Amino acid sequence: EAGVAQSPRYKIIEKRQSVAFWCNPISGHATLYWYQQILGQGPKLLIQFQNNGVVDDSQLPKDRFSAERLKGVDSTLKIQPAKLEDSAVYLCASSLIGFNYGYTFGSGTRLTVV
Amino acid sequence: TQLLEQSPQFLSIQEGENLTVYCNSSSVFSSLQWYRQEPGEGPVLLVTVVTGGEVKKLKRLTFQFGDARKDSSLHITAAQPGDTGLYLCAGVMDSNYQLIWGAGTKLIIKP
Repeated sequence: EAGVAQSPRYKIIEKRQSVAFWCNPISGHATLYWYQQILGQGPKLLIQFQNNGVVDDSQLPKDRFSAERLKGVDSTLKIQPAKLEDSAVYLCASSLIGFNYGYTFGSGTRLTVV
Repeated sequence: TQLLEQSPQFLSIQEGENLTVYCNSSSVFSSLQWYRQEPGEGPVLLVTVVTGGEVKKLKRLTFQFGDARKDSSLHITAAQPGDTGLYLCAGVMDSNYQLIWGAGTKLIIKP
């Protein structure tokens, strides 16, 4: 079974620039998550989709972050404009619907804002 | 406030030793997941525990869910360098089904 695909793997941008990340979840996984992970910390949920609807975006900084999941499959996460504190690894995960199913994560995108 | 406390935050031991990592909370969880994350990769699911008192074994790794479903432990027997990584626990809260993550335990096994 193919895993969760993310691109790019690495991105370096200057502050105030914009950046976009892409995620392709496991086929058949209705739920998709975007997480932000700062070095040495656990993942922090940014947004959760179920099919193409948003379930939870309470921790998404909506003044600069946006995400969409058109057609309930692929998803993109955008930051515009980026700040220095956005430097982190952005992880995409997918799962089946249900509270006890584990998540499958992609390898993440390491973003450095300079 | 960290709802899921992991301890220790960092552990460095010699190959062959045993170790236990803890995940504690005052909240009740309907299930709890353990992940291992290697540098440059996403977390990989190791196990999900659902029933209070449940014990699951994965080769040299033993996972236990507390009777009250508020805590969990991961015990590694005869640790090997390949066990090195960040161990994360994540619990589904009984009250609102949110998934809460611990901050992780960074484990280094020295050859």
